[in-house]
This record gives sequence, C-alpha cells and structure tokens, in this order.
Amino acid sequence: AQKITQTQPGMFVQEKEAVTLDCTYDTSDPSYGLFWYKQPSSGEMIFLIYQGSYDQQNATEGRYSLNFQKARKSANLVISASQLGDSAMYFCAMRGDSYNTDKLIFGTGTRLQVFP
Amino acid sequence: NAGVTQTPKFQVLKTGQSMTLQCAQDMNHEYMSWYRQDPGMGLRLIHYSVGAGITDQGEVPNGYNVSRSTTEDFPLRLLSAAPSQTSVYFCASRRQIERSPLHFGNGTRLTVT
Repeated sequence: AQKITQTQPGMFVQEKEAVTLDCTYDTSDPSYGLFWYKQPSSGEMIFLIYQGSYDQQNATEGRYSLNFQKARKSANLVISASQLGDSAMYFCAMRGDSYNTDKLIFGTGTRLQVFP
Repeated sequence: NAGVTQTPKFQVLKTGQSMTLQCAQDMNHEYMSWYRQDPGMGLRLIHYSVGAGITDQGEVPNGYNVSRSTTEDFPLRLLSAAPSQTSVYFCASRRQIERSPLHFGNGTRLTVT
C-alpha cells in the first residue's frame, strides 16, 4: 500500500532563514509523482512543486526546491529565505501507478510558523 | 478564469438529511475528484472521475454518491448525513497528463449535528 509520512507536526523558522520539511513515502510502483501543497489559514490548497520518480534533477520553483532521494524514499521540501507569508500547513502527496488515476495520497501535514 | 468553484462554502445539516455539494471547473480538465479533510488526517479521496460518465471510488466512499454527466460538473451527494461526515470537503480537477497537479476549489465546511 502507498503511504506518505510527515513526521514534523510543527516547525518554526526565523524570517529569511531556510527550512526543510520532511516527507518520506512508501510505494511499490516503479513510476510515481510527488507533490507539495501549501494550505494557509484561509483554507485553500496551493500547489507548490512536483517531482517525478524518473526526473534526473531535483525540482525547483522559485524559493521552493525538493531534495529528492529516491533510494531513501524521501522528498523533502526546502524553502529558502522564509517569509512571514510562508506560515501555513504544508502537505506532501503522492500519485502512483500511472497518470490514469486521481488517487493522490496525502501526508498529515506540517505546520510551519515563520517568526520575525 | 474561475478555476474550480465549490458551493456552498458552509453548510449545517441534521443527521439523516441529504444534500448535494456542487463543483464546477472551467479549465476543460478531464479528471475531477472529491477529498475530505479531517483534523490530523490530511486529505482523503472520496470519489473521482477520469471523464464524463466515468466514476470510481476512492479511499472513503461510503455514504457518498457522485455522477459526471458533463466535463465541467462533478456533484457530491450525501445520501443520509451522519456526524462522522462533519468535515471540510474539497473538489479538485486536473489535466490528463502525468505531471499535472490537482487544482482545488476553496472547500466546503460541513457540520452534521
């Protein structure tokens, strides 16, 4: 069975510092995709970054980067130069098997708080 | 461009009542799905659809019905509401390509008393 584990219920980081949010996954599928979403206190789900299991390079999107270690089955999100607006819940998610499914498995999330 | 639109934003039901959560997308996405979010449990898939006329069950389908008569609309029906269905419900859609992320609506907060 597929599973996503986020072991950090909460994280604190000072403004302008970098922070890493951990995500480990378990799957037997040879091909899969990993996603990170941000959920601010207003409640909407915002897509941040995607990593495919066969991608040769770690994904980057602006201040977000993904530290993908396939052998360890980890896909940690790195936020550089944290901003107060980064305070939110962050969810790691996985879609396995093939693209012909909408079965996205989510972790339980990490609440990030950025302080001045 | 509205994206994914969910209505209503808030709803209170009594046990045993039925209702339909509406979801519409204007991005011509093939795939649509419904998730529920409960405290400490992340999001869990209820039902999904890979195209008009095609639906399938997710992780927690019991007590819910869906249909997909058009590409744009994917309503979620609660047949007989129970307190265990108190949750925040998200509708989402995406394109039929591997790297396509889900685009979420703003959610419906449902309370069943």
